[in-house]
Amino acid sequence: QVQLKESGPGLVQPSQTLSLTCTVSGFSLTSYNVHWVRQPPGKGLEWMGRMRYNGDTSYNSALKSRLSISRDTSKNQVFLKMNSLQTDDTGTYYCTRGAVGDYWGQGVMVTVSS
Amino acid sequence: DVVMTQTPPSLSVAIGQSVSISCKSSQSLVYSDGKTYLHWLLQSPGRSPKRLIYQVSNLGSGVPDRFSGTGSQKDFTLKISRVEAEDLGVYYCAQTTHFPYTFGAGTKLELK
Repeated sequence: QVQLKESGPGLVQPSQTLSLTCTVSGFSLTSYNVHWVRQPPGKGLEWMGRMRYNGDTSYNSALKSRLSISRDTSKNQVFLKMNSLQTDDTGTYYCTRGAVGDYWGQGVMVTVSS
Repeated sequence: DVVMTQTPPSLSVAIGQSVSISCKSSQSLVYSDGKTYLHWLLQSPGRSPKRLIYQVSNLGSGVPDRFSGTGSQKDFTLKISRVEAEDLGVYYCAQTTHFPYTFGAGTKLELK
């Protein structure tokens, strides 16, 4: 069945780079788009960017200078890298299949703190 | 960016009651292909969001028909008939017509 699972460090120091992996199963990255969405604690949802089925990427302009999304289709993985992290980047990071996903990962909580 | 304004921010309901949530966008959500990419999600406590309705009125897989969506252009409504306990949580509208995709601030549905 379709599954997405985020993984990565729970704690990142300010000014450092966040690296997250979304490992998918049950579908092909060459057939579906995968998106990243984040949610600060107790707050709403923010779309970050996407990896299209053809390898193209799109980013939220508010994050574009800091954000990079890539993939490894042989490993069924999509990667998120965001640099210059600050405390307001703390939150839960989700990967989803499709723009407003029909499938979501469980999310990974990231805390930015020294 | 397209601003999505949801009202009310919270709702207190009794089981079996019907409720409506409004979502208004700052721009028309009709895409160049003629379709309207307005969606509704539910985030139950401690859970990932789940898509309820896509493209204004299409029920997601496994979503009960107590949920319905209507609207056009910039004005949309989610209706829940006969609220059940499992419906409690935060409802979000979202648009995927314009980049960057944006979400409403959410409507929290609580038990009265």
